[in-house]
Amino acid sequence: EVQLVESGGGLVQPGGTLRLSCAASGFTFSDYYMDWVRQAPGKGLEWVGRTRNRANSYTTEYAASVKGRFIISRDDSKNSLYLQMSSLKSGDTAVYYCAGAYSVTAGFEYWGQGALVTVSS
Amino acid sequence: SYVLTQPPSVSVAPGRTARITCGGDNIGSQSVHWYQQRPGQAPVLVIHYDNVRPSGVPERFSGSNSGNMATLTISGVEAGDEAVYYCHMWHSDSDPVVFGGGTKLTVL
Repeated sequence: EVQLVESGGGLVQPGGTLRLSCAASGFTFSDYYMDWVRQAPGKGLEWVGRTRNRANSYTTEYAASVKGRFIISRDDSKNSLYLQMSSLKSGDTAVYYCAGAYSVTAGFEYWGQGALVTVSS
Repeated sequence: SYVLTQPPSVSVAPGRTARITCGGDNIGSQSVHWYQQRPGQAPVLVIHYDNVRPSGVPERFSGSNSGNMATLTISGVEAGDEAVYYCHMWHSDSDPVVFGGGTKLTVL
């Protein structure tokens, strides 16, 4: 059974930092492009960024809204994906999903259950 | 940046056919994927590569993509199909992964 399990969400003050993790199982994690997608309360899906697989040199891409503040990394030996968030703003409040796609233009076959990040003083 | 436009809502009676559109400039030249999101749950892929159903998705779900419009079609709509549906594609732009704004499907 495929599982993606996010952890690390919580309440953080504006300007603060937070690190999310996503533990994968049930599929060949190292083959997949792994993305973070977020959803603000009552809103639609917003892409945050991605890390490509080893065959594509683990290159990363980010949405303009988070570029320079968020860093995505992965550890294939641990089947894990990470999202390091800094300089957080109230607008970053959302449920953060990790999601897996087999190629750059593929759909997201796998999704985690989401981790809620609340940025508030 | 590239924009995908979906109607905010679609309503359909049980047993009828629902069509949810996703508009974008020359969208037919790229692969479009569709997700179903029920309240409080993560999205689920229901159509990928325009018209391919992943394993486990009912045959009632189908897709098409041509010109400036992609369409998700749900035949014989059931109460359990009530959800928000999102289209998604990759685009060679500054933000390469693009989602539509979502369409809430209401089963009357």
